[in-house]
Amino acid sequence: EPEVTQTPSHQVTQMGQEVILRCVPISNHLYFYWYRQILGQKVEFLVSFYNNEISEKSEIFDDQFSVERPDGSNFTLKIRSTKLEDSAMYFCASRGRTPSTDTQYFGPGTRLTVL
Amino acid sequence: RKEVEQDPGPFNVPEGATVAFNCTYSNSASQSFFWYRQDCRKEPKLLMSVYSSGNEDGRFTAQLNRASQYISLLIRDSKLSDSATYLCVVPLNAGNMLTFGGGTRLMVKP
Repeated sequence: EPEVTQTPSHQVTQMGQEVILRCVPISNHLYFYWYRQILGQKVEFLVSFYNNEISEKSEIFDDQFSVERPDGSNFTLKIRSTKLEDSAMYFCASRGRTPSTDTQYFGPGTRLTVL
Repeated sequence: RKEVEQDPGPFNVPEGATVAFNCTYSNSASQSFFWYRQDCRKEPKLLMSVYSSGNEDGRFTAQLNRASQYISLLIRDSKLSDSATYLCVVPLNAGNMLTFGGGTRLMVKP
């Protein structure tokens, strides 16, 4: 069964450093997402991406965040200057081939720890 | 009112019990709903979709009450492996943004 993959599984970084989280969505999916989950809290939407541009973003997704689909398979989330409060689990998700397929499938996540 | 609200639990039940969770949502325009399951420190995994009045899949039944804006999940004959956090999820903006409840934790004991 096709699945979303994410690397690395755990990233430790110093405050102020840049990090790039990588995702490979399910092949032929057209819609891509990033979510985050701070330990003990609910899953929160960050951004959605379709047709090589951002289609929705939340208040959390400020100028420190950016997303990119550099090639036909990878989808990345960059945090330019990490803060302590960026420590969280970051999940990538992808969604079907047509607008009517609304189920999002999640990757296993990257645990980001900012020291 | 929170967009998606759930009782955090935990619900502690014996094996074989029937347990039900409720979820309320604030956006009356929402057309579809999901229950996801999340194990500790893992990703959410789709359990059920709810598009009309309800859905049934084996031991799991989801019901939707649009008038009262709540969704329920019923688990019959609970198994130890059902222990997890159950997330009520409401898509917004044509499915481009999933809004999650805080989750209800279920612990099934032998």
